[in-house]
Amino acid sequence: KNEVEQSPQNLTAQEGEFITINCSYSVGISALHWLQQHPGGGIVSLFMLSSGKKKHGRLIATINIQEKHSSLHITASHPRDSAVYICAVSARGTYKYIFGTGTRLKVLA
Amino acid sequence: DAGVIQSPRHEVTEMGQEVTLRCKPISGHDYLFWYRQTMMRGLELLIYFNNNVPIDDSGMPEDRFSAKMPNASFSTLKIQPSEPRDSAVYFCASSGQGKLPLHFGNGTRLTVT
Repeated sequence: KNEVEQSPQNLTAQEGEFITINCSYSVGISALHWLQQHPGGGIVSLFMLSSGKKKHGRLIATINIQEKHSSLHITASHPRDSAVYICAVSARGTYKYIFGTGTRLKVLA
Repeated sequence: DAGVIQSPRHEVTEMGQEVTLRCKPISGHDYLFWYRQTMMRGLELLIYFNNNVPIDDSGMPEDRFSAKMPNASFSTLKIQPSEPRDSAVYFCASSGQGKLPLHFGNGTRLTVT
């Protein structure tokens, strides 16, 4: 079993839909990260969370430390949101990221 | 701030050739990481440096891979000899004073034929 599990692996949505991507982890962490990767592009850090909730524009990230679970929400999705979204955790006491396998999101116009 | 700069963006080479990937971290960042991304295995940490010193190279797949950081503003990842199974996207990332999150470069897409 992977230490970081994401679901779904693939997601297709219509423009305007509310999208949720889930991440569960099994190790002790110092922080959880949501990353975005556009096709052929680099990796951008969207959020770093150690508790609660963060919001940036149409993106919202939440984390439940007790349940070892995080969600990334996209409100009013747009085709430019099409990308791979990667959940990663930084294990306690290290600078290493443990990555999930990513969720490939396609938003149709 | 220019961000993490990697070169080349794309590299196509024949099996057996030496490949050198380059990375310039963000100025002032003292941690530098090399990652490899493949469809099968996702993102994997190869090696990371702190203050130009390799700290953990347990992810380096085999002796054909080597990495150096001769100064605070430059690092190389070398594969010699290259093999088709080395085809992947290689990312460099840096962080300052151990503070997260990491800042990633745009990656080098390596194809070994």
